[in-house]
Amino acid sequence: EADIYQTPRYLVIGTGKKITLECSQTMGHDKMYWYQQDPGMELHLIHYSYGVNSTEKGDLSSESTVSRIRTEHFPLTLESARPSHTSQYLCASSGSPGRANEKLFFGSGTQLSVL
Amino acid sequence: AQSVTQLGSHVSVSEGALVLLRCNYSSSVPPYLFWYVQYPNQGLQLLLKYTSAATLVKGINGFEAEFKKSETSFHLTKPSAHMSDAAEYFCAVSDYGGSQGNLIFGKGTKLSVKP
Repeated sequence: EADIYQTPRYLVIGTGKKITLECSQTMGHDKMYWYQQDPGMELHLIHYSYGVNSTEKGDLSSESTVSRIRTEHFPLTLESARPSHTSQYLCASSGSPGRANEKLFFGSGTQLSVL
Repeated sequence: AQSVTQLGSHVSVSEGALVLLRCNYSSSVPPYLFWYVQYPNQGLQLLLKYTSAATLVKGINGFEAEFKKSETSFHLTKPSAHMSDAAEYFCAVSDYGGSQGNLIFGKGTKLSVKP
C-alpha cells in the first residue's frame, strides 16, 4: 500500500498569491516526481528529484519550483499563481533512481484552481 | 523519443462484457510499458508492466495486456467487466533513453461500466 500524501486535496486561491503544495512519503524512496494533469490530457512531468538536494526540471516547462531538503518531503511552490496554473498536480515516488522499470507510487493529487 | 497514444478517450461497456483499451507506443529502443489506473479522487495505481520478459502480462483485478512489437501495441483487456472497474486508465512508456526512468503517459481512457 502506498504511503504518499499530498495536501491540500483542493485549493482555490486568487491571482498573485504564493502557494506551496505539500508532498510527503514514508517509504524512504529516493526519487520523487511532480506531474501536472489536465482533463483529457497526458500527465506531464514538471519536476523530479533523485534525492536530497537534487532537483531537475521535467519535460513540461513550469513556473513552479521545488525543493528537496529531506528525503520524505518534496514541496512544490508557485511564487505568484495565475489562472493558467489551474490544474491537478500529482506527486509520485519510486524506490530506485535510474531504473526504467520501477513502479511509481502516486499521491491523491491536489486540484488547484486560480481565480 | 518515446510517446504513447491511447485510442478513445472514453469507452463504455456493459457489466460482464469484454474490456479492451487500446495503447500504441513509439520508441526507438526496447520499451518498458505500463498501465496505471486512477479511481475517482485517488492517485494512480500500477495495474501491470511489461519489462521484456513474457509478452503477455497479467496484472491486478483480472486485467492483462499483450506486448506486440510488430504492431507497437500494448492493449489492456479484461474478459468480464465489473462495475468497480469504472475508472480512468493510463498507458505509459518509460523514458529509458534518458536513463532516468521517467514515465511518459498517454491522455488516458475513461472506462464506464453499465449495469
